[in-house]
Amino acid sequence: AQSVTQLDSHVSVSEGTPVLLRCNYSSSYSPSLFWYVQHPNKGLQLLLKYTSAATLVKGINGFEAEFKKSETSFHLTKPSAHMSDAAEYFCVVKGTGGQNFVFGPGTRLSVLP
Amino acid sequence: GAGVSQSPSNKVTEKGKDVELRCDPISGHTALYWYRQSLGQGLEFLIYFQGNSAPDKSGLPSDRFSAERTGGSVSTLTIQRTQQEDSAVYLCASSLAEFNEQFFGPGTRLTVL
Repeated sequence: AQSVTQLDSHVSVSEGTPVLLRCNYSSSYSPSLFWYVQHPNKGLQLLLKYTSAATLVKGINGFEAEFKKSETSFHLTKPSAHMSDAAEYFCVVKGTGGQNFVFGPGTRLSVLP
Repeated sequence: GAGVSQSPSNKVTEKGKDVELRCDPISGHTALYWYRQSLGQGLEFLIYFQGNSAPDKSGLPSDRFSAERTGGSVSTLTIQRTQQEDSAVYLCASSLAEFNEQFFGPGTRLTVL
C-alpha cells in the first residue's frame, strides 16, 4: 500500500525567499508522484509529476521537485516565493498496483510581504 | 477545451435526505474519480471508474454512498440518508488513464444540517 507524509502542515516564508515543502512517500512499487496546488476557493491544479523519467522535475510557476529514491522523498522547491504562491499544496503518490491515488494531508504555504 | 464540471456547486440539505452530485468529465477521458475533502483535511478517495471495468469502490465510507457512470461519461454520486459528518467538498477528477494526470472539477460543497 502507498502512503504519503507531508512533514509540515504550515510553512511561512517571506516574498522573494526560497520555498521548501517536504514530502516523503511509501510505496511497494516504483511510484508515480505528483504535486497539486489548491488556491482558496479554487480547484486543484497539477504543478508537476514524476513518472520514472528525469529525477528533477520542473513544473509550472517556477516550481520543481526532485525524486530521491534512497530517501523516499519528493520535496517541492521554488527559488523565490511570490505572493500568488500562497495556497495549499498536496503531494500525491500513485502505485503501479492500481489506480488509487493517495493524497498527503497538505501543506499550507503563507507568503509574507 | 472544457474542463471537468460539477453540479451543483453548493448543496444544503437536511439530515436524513438523499442527495445526488453530478460530474461531467473531460471528453475522451476514460478514468473518473470521486474524492471527499473535509474542512482543513486532505483528499479522501471514494471511488474510481475506468472504462467499462467494474468500479473500484474501496474508498466508499458506508453503504449509504453509491456512484454510477453512464455511457462512460457523466457520473453521479448518491448519498442516502445524509448525516452531518457527510458535510464536505466532493471533488471529481478525470484522466486519460495512460498519462495518469488527473484534472479536477471545482467541487460540490455539501452541508448537512
